Amino acid sequence: NAGVTQTPKFQVLKTGQSMTLQCAQDMNHNSMYWYRQDPGMGLRLIYYSASEGTTDKGEVPNGYNVSRLNKREFSLRLESAAPSQTSVYFCASSDPGAEKLFFGSGTQLSVL
Amino acid sequence: GESVGLHLPTLSVQEGDNSIINCAYSNSASDYFIWYKQESGKGPQFIIDIRSNMDKRQGQRVTVLLNKTVKHLSLQIAATQPGDSAVYFCAERGKSSASKIIFGSGTRLSIRP
Repeated sequence: NAGVTQTPKFQVLKTGQSMTLQCAQDMNHNSMYWYRQDPGMGLRLIYYSASEGTTDKGEVPNGYNVSRLNKREFSLRLESAAPSQTSVYFCASSDPGAEKLFFGSGTQLSVL
Repeated sequence: GESVGLHLPTLSVQEGDNSIINCAYSNSASDYFIWYKQESGKGPQFIIDIRSNMDKRQGQRVTVLLNKTVKHLSLQIAATQPGDSAVYFCAERGKSSASKIIFGSGTRLSIRP
C-alpha cells in the first residue's frame, strides 16, 4: 500500500499561472482533505470531501477549487496563483467521522 | 468562532524526562480532540485521540488529558526520546461524521541529550 500519494512534490509558479495538485489514496477511504501549512504555522483546511460526490469549504477556500474525481482521487486547483498561496499543501484521507487522518508527504509550492 | 490554539510554541526537554504539551480550545461543541506529530519534511501522523465524554486516555508512552471546564487539552510523553523531536498539533472535530478536523498552531518539541 502506498497510502496517500501527492504529486508533484515541488512546484514553482509565476503569479497568475494555474495548476492542479493531485492526490490519490489506496486505503478505500471515503473522506479526503486538502490542508495548507505556512512556515511555523499549523495546518489550515482548504476543502474537504466527506464522501465521493461531495465537497465542502474549509477555513481558507478562497482562490482554490477541488474535484473529487472518484473515491481514490481528490485534486486541488489554483486558477490564478498568487504569492499568498506559497505554502506546503497536504492531502489527507480517512474513514468517515474518523479522527485518524492519513497524510501525504506534501507539495511545496512557491508562487513568485 | 471556533479555534484551537497552543500555550507554548517551543518546548525543550531533557532526554528521559517527561514532556507535557498543552493546548487550549474554544469550541465547546467539539466531540473529539486529537494529537498529531509532524517530523521535519513529513506529513502529520496521528498519535492519540480522546472523546469529549472522557477526561483521560492512555496510549503507548503517551497520555492525553482533557479538562472541559477550562477547555484545556494536554499531551504527556513519558521518558522522552530523541525520536520524539517533532512539532505536535492538537486538533478537534465536531459530532457529525461529516465534520471537518481543525488544527491548532503547533508546539515544537526538542530533546536535549
